Amino acid sequence: DTGVSQDPRHKITKRGQNVTFRCDPISEHNRLYWYRQTLGQGPEFLTYFQNEAQLEKSRLLSDRFSAERPKGSFSTLEIQRTEQGDSAMYLCASSPLSREQYFGPGTRLTVT
Amino acid sequence: RKEVEQDPGPFNVPEGATVAFNCTYSNSASQSFFWYRQDCRKEPKLLMSVYSSGNEDGRFTAQLNRASQYISLLIRDSKLSDSATYLCVVNVYPGNQFYFGTGTSLTVIP
Repeated sequence: DTGVSQDPRHKITKRGQNVTFRCDPISEHNRLYWYRQTLGQGPEFLTYFQNEAQLEKSRLLSDRFSAERPKGSFSTLEIQRTEQGDSAMYLCASSPLSREQYFGPGTRLTVT
Repeated sequence: RKEVEQDPGPFNVPEGATVAFNCTYSNSASQSFFWYRQDCRKEPKLLMSVYSSGNEDGRFTAQLNRASQYISLLIRDSKLSDSATYLCVVNVYPGNQFYFGTGTSLTVIP
């Protein structure tokens, strides 16, 4: 399968714990995006990378959120000290410079 | 004001009907436009890009009106399999940020 993959698909964690999600983009795509989606809403842009450079991070929801793409391939999104309001679907997408994005299946986070 | 606004619906239409969705965007710097389809509890999938001159892909036609800052999607001869949420997306330059609408829910009824 040469699509975007995300791991894990589901994560249940207790409030206050840290979580990390991984995204593997389509191999020839140099842009990678992270989104959050809650029920009844469209995906909300969080941050994006072009190769290993994080070009936009002002929309990360708080300083508890951080993302990396150390070698310009896979990326990780970390949420520190999770809160119940962080419960959502976290989507990753990749694209070539043509800007059409291809999404992974998402990681569903539940904070109890 | 939201960057992208869509009527959430729901739209319930019989098979074979024609249905149209509209979407408005607020940022005149928007450069690229797309329609995505999202099935329940699945990821969004690209349906089609929207070009200034309008474009068609089978039963689907997309239009862009830059002066009025709206995008439309027309689905002809609706199929049961068209039931999904349709998301309007704009890409703003500079910054290369993508803004999604809340989506419009479509159910095609036998």
